[in-house]
Amino acid sequence: GEDVEQSLFLSVREGDSSVINCTYTDSSSTYLYWYKQEPGAGLQLLTYIFSNMDMKQDQRLTVLLNKKDKHLSLRIADTQTGDSAIYFCAETKGVYNTDKLIFGTGTRLQVFP
Amino acid sequence: DADVTQTPRNRITKTGKRIMLECSQTKGHDRMYWYRQDPGLGLQLIYYSFDVKDINKGEISDGYSVSRQAQAKFSLSLESAIPNQTALYFCATSDRKQGTNTGELFFGEGSRLTVL
Repeated sequence: GEDVEQSLFLSVREGDSSVINCTYTDSSSTYLYWYKQEPGAGLQLLTYIFSNMDMKQDQRLTVLLNKKDKHLSLRIADTQTGDSAIYFCAETKGVYNTDKLIFGTGTRLQVFP
Repeated sequence: DADVTQTPRNRITKTGKRIMLECSQTKGHDRMYWYRQDPGLGLQLIYYSFDVKDINKGEISDGYSVSRQAQAKFSLSLESAIPNQTALYFCATSDRKQGTNTGELFFGEGSRLTVL
């Protein structure tokens, strides 16, 4: 995922907020995504944001999109130990904008008591 | 049962051997993908297929080939495996319907391949 960059690790205390950042390159991406990968499992879609939105909130999750800077962030409020996982951001590529997803390197979130 | 099933889940093989990873899905999706996951590199797209007659190379297709035997089946082959193909491989599917398609991918549980 050279087109999509993330920091590799984040460590937070249980109950605090976590913020995972991502920079992407394709300004024509229609959707931007956050996927979660738990140990020993495949990726599952956590949330997504349409490119004409600045913010999307879904329970404890807040996604912020800055199209000018091509910056995407995921905020997890009241982080729990069950949130420990690898989080991938992804952008769409292709003529139809959903042809394929390009993933970032993933950020490993570790939550400690 | 999982909607996207990969076999084998784990495989150890030797350099030069031919390996096939298989993927089958019950979601009725027309699009299927193979990704490779390496620590610190995220997921890289190897091949993708929009239907049985449509196969496309991804970012890192060299050393790999694919076959879309049916809408529900998409296999990945390593004709002559080499150690730097040691990785975790994921199959994924998505639905093409325009207007409602957010491009969400549905992943299998992964196939861990080790090439000695």
